[in-house]
Amino acid sequence: AQSVTQLDSQVPVFEEAPVELRCNYSSSVSVYLFWYVQYPNQGLQLLLKYLSGSTLVKGINGFEAEFNKSQTSFHLRKPSVHISDTAEYFCAVSENTGGFKTIFGAGTRLFVKA
Amino acid sequence: SQTIHQWPATLVQPVGSPLSLECTVEGTSNPNLYWYRQAAGRGLQLLFYSVGIGQISSEVPQNLSASRPQDRQFILSSKKLLLSDSGFYLCAWSGTGGDYGYTFGSGTRLTVV
Repeated sequence: AQSVTQLDSQVPVFEEAPVELRCNYSSSVSVYLFWYVQYPNQGLQLLLKYLSGSTLVKGINGFEAEFNKSQTSFHLRKPSVHISDTAEYFCAVSENTGGFKTIFGAGTRLFVKA
Repeated sequence: SQTIHQWPATLVQPVGSPLSLECTVEGTSNPNLYWYRQAAGRGLQLLFYSVGIGQISSEVPQNLSASRPQDRQFILSSKKLLLSDSGFYLCAWSGTGGDYGYTFGSGTRLTVV
């Protein structure tokens, strides 16, 4: 069975600084990887996904993530954050076996300070 | 385009009362449907998923049940709510195959008092 670990529960950062939110996964088969963002009292919104091909994937709002198979990681990055990026971010994995269940990490709270 | 509707947005219910949360999807057919619960400060816990009408799989034993009476309708229910049922409930849908990602509803904040 797959699992997801988000290494930081909270990440405070100043506006316009770069940020990296870390995610490691475990699975015995090939996987699809996702990052979602959740603003307060809202549902989750898909930021980006890795299915195959290029290991660097770009998403909405200037975010990107890099898939590293050897380190089983899928870290999320943004070169310059804005106050509006303050939100909860979830890493998720689903197995590439025609299945349909996605496992979510516990989330990382990104807090952007002025 | 596909949309997902979830209601109500907030709900305050007394202990021992019944519960019914509804989720409907538009613009797609035969979606996979999911109910998640998000406790304060914690991640998402998968409660139920469904790959077709009348097909429900439960991930954790609990006080809740789910039903899918129509292709694009997913209902979360309880006969008697417990305090521990409080949380933020999210409905989601996906295509088959696991590679589409999920589209989430806006959630229901349930407080059991």
